Amino acid sequence: GENVEQHPSTLSVQEGDSAVIKCTYSDSASNYFPWYKQELGKRPQLIIDIRSNVGEKKDQRIAVTLNKTAKHFSLHITETQPEDSAVYFCAANSYNTDKLIFGTGTRLQVFP
Amino acid sequence: EAQVTQNPRYLITVTGKKLTVTCSQNMNHEYMSWYRQDPGLGLRQIYYSMNVEVTDKGDVPEGYKVSRKEKRNFPLILESPSPNQTSLYFCASSPTPLGAKNIQYFGAGTRLSVL
Repeated sequence: GENVEQHPSTLSVQEGDSAVIKCTYSDSASNYFPWYKQELGKRPQLIIDIRSNVGEKKDQRIAVTLNKTAKHFSLHITETQPEDSAVYFCAANSYNTDKLIFGTGTRLQVFP
Repeated sequence: EAQVTQNPRYLITVTGKKLTVTCSQNMNHEYMSWYRQDPGLGLRQIYYSMNVEVTDKGDVPEGYKVSRKEKRNFPLILESPSPNQTSLYFCASSPTPLGAKNIQYFGAGTRLSVL
């Protein structure tokens, strides 16, 4: 079935450094790739998304890139701050079935 | 205020005792979905609904039922809960089916323990 792999599972960075989280999807018909941030004890919240007709999208300190050929997409956070500490989930929709398949999450810790 | 409301937020029950977790949204969204979140496994979709009376299985539907009799409500039913259904559950809604416009809004979550 459809699958989304996410790496790394944990990531520790110094404040001000960049963080990169990578995902790979299996369904070549997927056309929508959201990223969610989940703070401890809170609900997931959408932080950025990208559609398959776009290669890159930026929103202030966060950016997402998509390589459709390789079926990879990545989240880039620059100038990290302690408030970026959270669990981040990538996801890919299954176009034919309308399901949303999530990765297993990356716990990002930003140390001051 | 636009929101997705789940109840209860916390529930402890015993094996075999039927329970329902309610989900309601006030945004007139067509698409609603249930997920369970387990450590190391991320969020896994249980069931989803693209509109009233239209429901479909996600990746882990076994042991769960849903109904969509009204647009705003999408209850999750566990007919005979078992300990492996102990988890954190999220309801989510989206304006339209995911293929079109895919922003999902999540409820606050329901932490269920089955003893």
